[in-house]
Amino acid sequence: DAGVTQSPTHLIKTRGQQVTLRCSPKSGHDTVSWYQQALGQGPQFIFQYYEEEERQRGNFPDRFSGHQFPNYSSELNVNALLLGDSALYLCASSVVGLETDTQYFGPGTRLTVL
Amino acid sequence: AQRVTQPEKLLSVFKGAPVELKCNYSYSGSPELFWYVQYSRQRLQLLLRHISRESIKGFTADLNKGETSFHLKKPFAQEEDSAMYYCALSGSSNTGKLIFGQGTTLQVKP
Repeated sequence: DAGVTQSPTHLIKTRGQQVTLRCSPKSGHDTVSWYQQALGQGPQFIFQYYEEEERQRGNFPDRFSGHQFPNYSSELNVNALLLGDSALYLCASSVVGLETDTQYFGPGTRLTVL
Repeated sequence: AQRVTQPEKLLSVFKGAPVELKCNYSYSGSPELFWYVQYSRQRLQLLLRHISRESIKGFTADLNKGETSFHLKKPFAQEEDSAMYYCALSGSSNTGKLIFGQGTTLQVKP
């Protein structure tokens, strides 16, 4: 099991563009959470998907949206990119139930907005 | 407000010295506390969670609800413990949503 995988590894975009990041959860996991980690900061929760629905959301604008597919993989979409969106985007997977908070993280996608 | 505070950005100790990484939290309810670690060029991984009461790689952490703290301790630091450590909080009303501190870099010198 490769664990949580994310693509692409790095991405460079310009202001105003749109971006899609992808995540495949660990085998057997059904829940995907997305985090934004700015340089020198801890990860910040964006949202979580379970059963193809957004289950929880952090304090992020509507420009950030997501999707979960029947195979539990997920996408994070960011529209109208701002310079401040430059960060490492982490995907984490878990299993709903007693171990929901035990999350397994992917390596991240480094987004640079110019 | 729910918050996790790690007051030290950097903690530098010599090999064999005791280590204590501080974590304080603010949460109105019964929190679950975690420590995550990120070694150089590796992904973020769970080190321990308070409800497990485990000792992982010699590290322990005790939840002190009176002081709202969850400090990470190890009696004798090893060079391979050098990494970034994050304290994180979740709670019954935030299942699956982790709130992270800013992290502390632990540097263990030979």
